[in-house]
Amino acid sequence: KAGVTQTPRYLIKTRGQQVTLSCSPISGHRSVSWYQQTPGQGLQFLFEYFSETQRNKGNFPGRFSGRQFSNSRSEMNVSTLELGDSALYLCASSLDRGLYNEQFFGPGTRLTVL
Amino acid sequence: AQKITQTQPGMFVQEKEAVTLDCTYDTSDQSYGLFWYKQPSSGEMIFLIYQGSYDEQNATEGRYSLNFQKARKSANLVISASQLGDSAMYFCAMREGESGGSNYKLTFGKGTLLTVNP
Repeated sequence: KAGVTQTPRYLIKTRGQQVTLSCSPISGHRSVSWYQQTPGQGLQFLFEYFSETQRNKGNFPGRFSGRQFSNSRSEMNVSTLELGDSALYLCASSLDRGLYNEQFFGPGTRLTVL
Repeated sequence: AQKITQTQPGMFVQEKEAVTLDCTYDTSDQSYGLFWYKQPSSGEMIFLIYQGSYDEQNATEGRYSLNFQKARKSANLVISASQLGDSAMYFCAMREGESGGSNYKLTFGKGTLLTVNP
């Protein structure tokens, strides 16, 4: 079974631009979560999607948004990029929503904002 | 208050020796799950082991075991017979049960950088 895939792996943007990151979960997994990882703040939860609906959202500004498609693939979008948005963005999928479901992570997209 | 505390920013261990990475957590929920992940320099988060709050036995997965002490709210990861490939960042994480909302996010600690010396 293929793992979680994320595209692109690396991205360089300038302030003010917008960016879209893509995540394909493990086949059969219906829940997709996104995390931002920075040296200063560590790993922070962005949002979770299940059945094309956002089920949970972290403490991030409205510039961060996402969506999930009927095939469970997910995209996240960041508009009006700021320098502080430079980070590793990790996508994770799990079979279902549930307290005990393991989340499996993709390799991440490393975003650099200049 | 921090939900997950990993007090060891860095740890060193000799190859083939065992090492314990500490993790304490804070929750008022009765139902929760504790997870350990490994992140090599490549960046990918690799799931290692899981412990549910109601599990009476400590979880084990190959060379990994979780020393779960519920009363102390600790969930330490034990790696036996360390290998050079174990050098990586290790993160402890918790998912809490429903306490007024659907908290299905993982809350991570700051991590411990493990270096295995030959």
